[in-house]
Amino acid sequence: SQTIHQWPATLVQPVGSPLSLECTVEGTSNPNLYWYRQAAGRGLQLLFYSVGIGQISSEVPQNLSASRPQDRQFILSSKKLLLSDSGFYLCAWSSDYEQYFGPGTRLTVT
Amino acid sequence: GQNIDQPTEMTATEGAIVQINCTYQTSGFNGLFWYQQHAGEAPTFLSYNVLDGLEEKGRFSSFLSRSKGYSYLLLKELQMKDSASYLCAVSYGSNDYKLSFGAGTTVTVRA
Repeated sequence: SQTIHQWPATLVQPVGSPLSLECTVEGTSNPNLYWYRQAAGRGLQLLFYSVGIGQISSEVPQNLSASRPQDRQFILSSKKLLLSDSGFYLCAWSSDYEQYFGPGTRLTVT
Repeated sequence: GQNIDQPTEMTATEGAIVQINCTYQTSGFNGLFWYQQHAGEAPTFLSYNVLDGLEEKGRFSSFLSRSKGYSYLLLKELQMKDSASYLCAVSYGSNDYKLSFGAGTTVTVRA
């Protein structure tokens, strides 16, 4: 069966510090991978998606970046965090129309 | 772009029925999802509609009208554990199956 992992589960970082969130998927090959952010009281916003290794598409302009160094690994990064980067970050994978979400990382930028 | 609207909050009594409406405007529409999200947790899949009509799955049903850009999620025989946020999401794009989410409807079930 397929599983999706995210870490860390929670993170508190000061403004201006770097960020690296990791997502890995097990039990499937060549999945589509997605990063979403959910700000407090708001819906999920698609940040990045990837259909293959090294292929990253961005949905919204921001100070975040994403990379896919391996088939089942998706990384979300920032060089300098902003207060507005606080939120619940969710990674998801799909092989067809249905997306499966990871447990999420709650990021608080102070 | 995608524009998805759903009510912010709904309250209902245990054992009752609640209908959550969702309207959307989108290009490259593939289908419509409903997800359930409990506070602090990841969304979990409830239903997916591609064709017009009603899909029934236990206590939950979902309806889609593509021509009207309209869907609803029907929750029957409400239980306390159904208190959660319900997210309407539109799948769009080819091959990459991106999702655009509404802001979610918080349903509170009262005894």
